[in-house]
Amino acid sequence: DADVTQTPRNRITKTGKRIMLECSQTKGHDRMYWYRQDPGLGLRLIYYSFDVKDINKGEISDGYSVSRQAQAKFSLSLESAIPNQTALYFCATSDGDRGRNQPQHFGDGTRLSIL
Amino acid sequence: GQQVMQIPQYQHVQEGEDFTTYCNSSTTLSNIQWYKQRPGGHPVFLIQLVKSGEVKKQKRLTFQFGEAKKNSSLHITATQTTDVGTYFCAATSGTYKYIFGTGTRLKVLA
Repeated sequence: DADVTQTPRNRITKTGKRIMLECSQTKGHDRMYWYRQDPGLGLRLIYYSFDVKDINKGEISDGYSVSRQAQAKFSLSLESAIPNQTALYFCATSDGDRGRNQPQHFGDGTRLSIL
Repeated sequence: GQQVMQIPQYQHVQEGEDFTTYCNSSTTLSNIQWYKQRPGGHPVFLIQLVKSGEVKKQKRLTFQFGEAKKNSSLHITATQTTDVGTYFCAATSGTYKYIFGTGTRLKVLA
């Protein structure tokens, strides 16, 4: 969805560097998510946030941190990147106001390579 | 933790043949969603199932939720080349976070 924008789209960096991936949305959704996708492993949840003051760990949060700067912005940081964090990263949003789980809307992804 | 197993991992079919992918969980699910990811693209929501035994159709796609709410299937009738991609299920089990299956990659040979 063009309503969920991820930057950068591609990034190559070196082991030990600090990296921030950014996600912004114009859908007005409260809930935001970060996933990583690896071949054969599907999508795995890193962190999720249900509003600005809410941050929750997902399945694979070690080595990552997040910041929910505003309702529309949710950034993912790798404090000291390592090669096994090479993956395709997706941000997603969903509407939390309708009483039950809603569809998730994904950004176009950030392809991250760590050398 | 909760796991969602999805089979098969890959499926190659001739155009016009049918295709089915299955998701299974050891725990009872609150609901299940299905997504399609085209090659080079991002997952796109297809449908959500909530009720035990629910069946929903979208043109050539039929989605089912098991009676025990522990499994689900997506069936495509008479596949077309536009059906190519990876199909994921995503499930919740009493929480508001989604666990994705590993996906089934479909290739359709013309």
